[in-house]
Amino acid sequence: AQKITQTQPGMFVQEKEAVTLDCTYDTSDPSYGLFWYKQPSSGEMIFLIYQGSYDQQNATEGRYSLNFQKARKSANLVISASQLGDSAMYFCAMREGTGRRALTFGSGTRLQVQP
Amino acid sequence: KAGVTQTPRYLIKTRGQQVTLSCSPISGHRSVSWYQQTPGQGLQFLFEYFSETQRNKGNFPGRFSGRQFSNSRSEMNVSTLELGDSALYLCASRRGLGQAQETQYFGPGTRLLVL
Repeated sequence: AQKITQTQPGMFVQEKEAVTLDCTYDTSDPSYGLFWYKQPSSGEMIFLIYQGSYDQQNATEGRYSLNFQKARKSANLVISASQLGDSAMYFCAMREGTGRRALTFGSGTRLQVQP
Repeated sequence: KAGVTQTPRYLIKTRGQQVTLSCSPISGHRSVSWYQQTPGQGLQFLFEYFSETQRNKGNFPGRFSGRQFSNSRSEMNVSTLELGDSALYLCASRRGLGQAQETQYFGPGTRLLVL
């Protein structure tokens, strides 16, 4: 079974509008971390935001926020006030259990911001 | 603080050759992980090193190997290259293996083309 599911292969958003990128995850471990990365066409994976399984509040980092719904096992990324530079691939990832496990990535969502 | 660096950035090889990729982690980070990214398979974990020891390994053939030096720099080697090894190879570092919540930071990647 897929550990991380990103159901939106591609999305379009108008500049200055908000956009939500979906991510659902599957784990039976009570301790886990959820991460979002941005990958521009250059290839580098840029860390955006993190949410821990025990965190009570949704994480926020500037224009990025994470809508964490633990019971639904979803960790959607919300980008407010989209900019042209936000056009990129976005990956949701999870690390389960102890720190010794590797990150598991979803298949990604390609976001295109239109002027 | 300097980020994760990878060399070379681009590489062209022919089938049957071998290749060595290098990764220097963020200062103070002792863990280095390697990932392979292809359009068909997405991001796949290769292995992770900490304190010069391989701590975790993905499902790749023995042609893929790595090592880590005492200064935490890491190298990845692929022997007897196949066409399917053409990919973006990403290196990532983090401080340690203690917690699932620890963020991994990625380098710019090495694009390998096997002809």
